[in-house]
Amino acid sequence: SQTIHQWPATLVQPVGSPLSLECTVEGTSNPNLYWYRQAAGRGLQLLFYSVGIGQISSEVPQNLSASRPQDRQFILSSKKLLLSDSGFYLCAWFRGIAEAFFGQGTRLTVV
Amino acid sequence: SQQGEEDPQALSIQEGENATMNCSYKTSINNLQWYRQNSGRGLVHLILIRSNEREKHSGRLRVTLDTSKKSSSLLITASRAADTASYFCATPNRDAGGTSYGKLTFGQGTILTVHP
Repeated sequence: SQTIHQWPATLVQPVGSPLSLECTVEGTSNPNLYWYRQAAGRGLQLLFYSVGIGQISSEVPQNLSASRPQDRQFILSSKKLLLSDSGFYLCAWFRGIAEAFFGQGTRLTVV
Repeated sequence: SQQGEEDPQALSIQEGENATMNCSYKTSINNLQWYRQNSGRGLVHLILIRSNEREKHSGRLRVTLDTSKKSSSLLITASRAADTASYFCATPNRDAGGTSYGKLTFGQGTILTVHP
């Protein structure tokens, strides 16, 4: 069966520090992968999506970047975090034309 | 444009009662999906209804879709305390070329609290 792993679960980082969040998928190949951000437990905002290795599409301008170095690995990064980068980050993969599967999320607090 | 606006924003009911949440969207869709999120956790897919379907059931869940009104509703019957969570509707979002790539646009969600 397919599973999605996302870590760390929580992270507290100072302003100006770098960021690297990792997401990996097991049990499937060539998945479409997504990074979402959720503010204050409300709606999700799509940040990046990737349909293959090295292919990244950005949905909104921001201080973050994404990379897909391997088929089942999706990384969210920042060189210098801002206070406004705080939030709940969710990785997801998409199966066909049906539902999306989400990781358990990373709670990022920038202080 | 904003897709998938849910109402109410918050709903508080007693165990055993039914809970109804509504979702409206703005553009044409192929399907509409409902997700559940427990506090501080990832989202879990509940049910998908296609644009040519009007109603769908899954256990205690009943979803309706009215494409003429661009709206959907999620009904949870005989609610339980364990149903306490946030519920989101989501619709596939297409890029300028008309391809979805599986991107989903989520509404702001309804926070459901079921009191024992």
